[in-house]
Amino acid sequence: QVKLQQSGAELVKPGASVKLSCKTSGYTFSTSYMSWFKQIPGQSIEWIGMIYAGDGGTGYNQKFKGKATLTVDTSSSTAYMDLSSLTTEDSAVYFCARGAGDYWGQGVMVTVSS
Amino acid sequence: DVVLTQTPVAQPVTLGDQASISCRSSQSLVHSNGNTYLEWYLQKPGQSPQLLIYKVSNRFSGVPDRFIGSGSGSDFTLKISRVEPEDLGVYYCFQATHDPYTFGAGTKLELK
Repeated sequence: QVKLQQSGAELVKPGASVKLSCKTSGYTFSTSYMSWFKQIPGQSIEWIGMIYAGDGGTGYNQKFKGKATLTVDTSSSTAYMDLSSLTTEDSAVYFCARGAGDYWGQGVMVTVSS
Repeated sequence: DVVLTQTPVAQPVTLGDQASISCRSSQSLVHSNGNTYLEWYLQKPGQSPQLLIYKVSNRFSGVPDRFIGSGSGSDFTLKISRVEPEDLGVYYCFQATHDPYTFGAGTKLELK
């Protein structure tokens, strides 16, 4: 069955960067898209962007350009998202999802605090 | 950006009731390829969203037939007949027609 396993919770300092991972199984990763989403607890969800694992081509929500960088490693069927120059406004749960969102990872809480 | 307006914000129900959620878009969600990429998700507390309906009215794998999506253009509805305990949570509509993709603010389905 399709599974997306995300890395564990992160506590990072303002100004730092963090790299989140999303390891997949149960489907052909190399010919699929992966989306990333942000959800501040108690609020709705935002789409960050999408990457095509076949060629690494990306599309970003303008709001997250310069903040998020999406990459993939097809040899390990894993997708990554780098978040840079973190501020308290980046504290949220981040999800990966196949395609535009049929199967989702469990989410990872990123807390930005000094 | 496309704004999706969901109503109501909260829907109190009795188990076994029917529930209905509306999602109206600030512009048509018909893609240039003729498809309408309007989806519905349920998010239970502490969990990831789970896909219920895709392209307006198609139930995702394993979704019970008491979930019915309908609508066209910019006006969409999710109906849940005979609400069961596992249906409680926050429902979101989501559009993947226009960049950036966007979600509604959510509708909380809760017990009366």
